[in-house]
Amino acid sequence: GNSVTQMEGPVTLSEEAFLTINCTYTATGYPSLFWYVQYPGEGLQLLLKATKADDKGSNKGFEATYRKETTSFHLEKGSVQVSDSAVYFCARGPNSGGSNYKLTFGKGTLLTVNP
Amino acid sequence: NAGVTQTPKFRILKIGQSMTLQCTQDMNHNYMYWYRQDPGMGLKLIYYSVGAGITDKGEVPNGYNVSRSTTEDFPLRLELAAPSQTSVYFCASRGVNTEAFFGQGTRLTVV
Repeated sequence: GNSVTQMEGPVTLSEEAFLTINCTYTATGYPSLFWYVQYPGEGLQLLLKATKADDKGSNKGFEATYRKETTSFHLEKGSVQVSDSAVYFCARGPNSGGSNYKLTFGKGTLLTVNP
Repeated sequence: NAGVTQTPKFRILKIGQSMTLQCTQDMNHNYMYWYRQDPGMGLKLIYYSVGAGITDKGEVPNGYNVSRSTTEDFPLRLELAAPSQTSVYFCASRGVNTEAFFGQGTRLTVV
């Protein structure tokens, strides 16, 4: 079935450090890909998305590129802030035109940014 | 914009009690989902629905029931609460070509 494998945390960085959180997905079909962020005590919010190969999603300084050749959607940010401390989830949507309606989430990566 | 609204936000249940977690969305989304999130863990899918009158089991459906009588509402029912159901529950909805929108969660403790 569809699956998402996400880099396990926790990840601890100093402010202004470079961030990468790896995410790979199963290659069946052409799914949309998402990164969600969950701040403490809150629900999940969409951070960015990409709907086809080579698309780059970006938001709040975060970026991720849909790489079909490596089935990856790694999250990056050049300079993290304390306020970026949260849990980050990679997710894949159903295949385009497919009948599987379920979203598939990675296990989440806890990021802590220290001042 | 209301989006996805869950009630209650917090609840403490005694073992064996029952309750319904409410979820409603105002975006006319066909697809709705219930997840549970245990401390320090990812999301596990309990049930989902692809439209009014249609529901299906996810990964961890035991001990729960759902119904989808309208497009807007997707309540989750716990019949005989057990300590293993202590968790944070999230409802989500999605349109055909949109991302998922999540509610703020219901923190449930069973004692």
